[in-house]
Amino acid sequence: SAVISQKPSRDICQRGTSLTIQCQVDSQVTMMFWYRQQPGQSLTLIATANQGSEATYESGFVIDKFPISRPNLTFSTLTVSNLSPEDSSIYLCSAWTENTEAFFGQGTRLTVV
Amino acid sequence: EDQVTQSPEALRLQEGESSSLNCSYTVSGLRGLFWYRQDPGKGPEFLFTLYSAGEEKEKERLKATLTKKESFLHITAPKPEDSATYLCAVQAPGGSNYKLTFGKGTLLTVNP
Repeated sequence: SAVISQKPSRDICQRGTSLTIQCQVDSQVTMMFWYRQQPGQSLTLIATANQGSEATYESGFVIDKFPISRPNLTFSTLTVSNLSPEDSSIYLCSAWTENTEAFFGQGTRLTVV
Repeated sequence: EDQVTQSPEALRLQEGESSSLNCSYTVSGLRGLFWYRQDPGKGPEFLFTLYSAGEEKEKERLKATLTKKESFLHITAPKPEDSATYLCAVQAPGGSNYKLTFGKGTLLTVNP
C-alpha cells in the first residue's frame, strides 16, 4: 500500500486568489492523479500528473486554471487559480502502486469566499 | 461514455442486519472494478479490486462480487463502525489506462 499526505487539509480563500495543494507519497508510485469531489457528486478526474512533463487534463479542465507539477516520483502539486465560489470543493490526490491499487490522500477542503 | 450507478443512495440498517449495495456499470472492456469506503472529511479508503466476472473478495464483514454488468458489496452483520459512504469505480481502456470513473456512492448508516 501507499500512504499519501496531502496539505493543507482545508483552507478558506478569497475569490481571485490561488491555492496550491501539495501531495507527498511515502513510496515511488507509477501514476499520480488529481480529483475533485463536489458536494453530492462523484469524484471527477481533473488530470494525470506526469513526472517531468506537462500534466494530461480531462475534458473540462485546463492548465491555466489547474496548473500541476510533478518534479519527481513521489511529489505533486495542484494549483487552483483565479478562485471563484464555484471552485469550493474537496480536492484529492491519488496514486497507483505497482500492484495496480489506487490510493487517495485525505483531501483538501477548499472554501472560496 | 463509461457510466457507474450506485444504489441505493442511502441505506439505514440496524446492527447485525445484513444487506447489499449495488454498483451497475456500463463500460467497454472492464479492466477493474474498485470499491472504496469514505468517512466524512477523509479521502477514500481502498477496499477491493475485482477484475473478472465471478470473482469474489472478502475483508472482515465485507464481500465484493462481480458480474458482467454489476458488482455487489455484501455487508454481513454490520456494526456501527461500518457506517460510511461506499464508492464504486470502474477502470476502462481508452485515454489513461489508470482513469477511474466513480459512482456517487451509497451512504450507509448502521444504528446500534
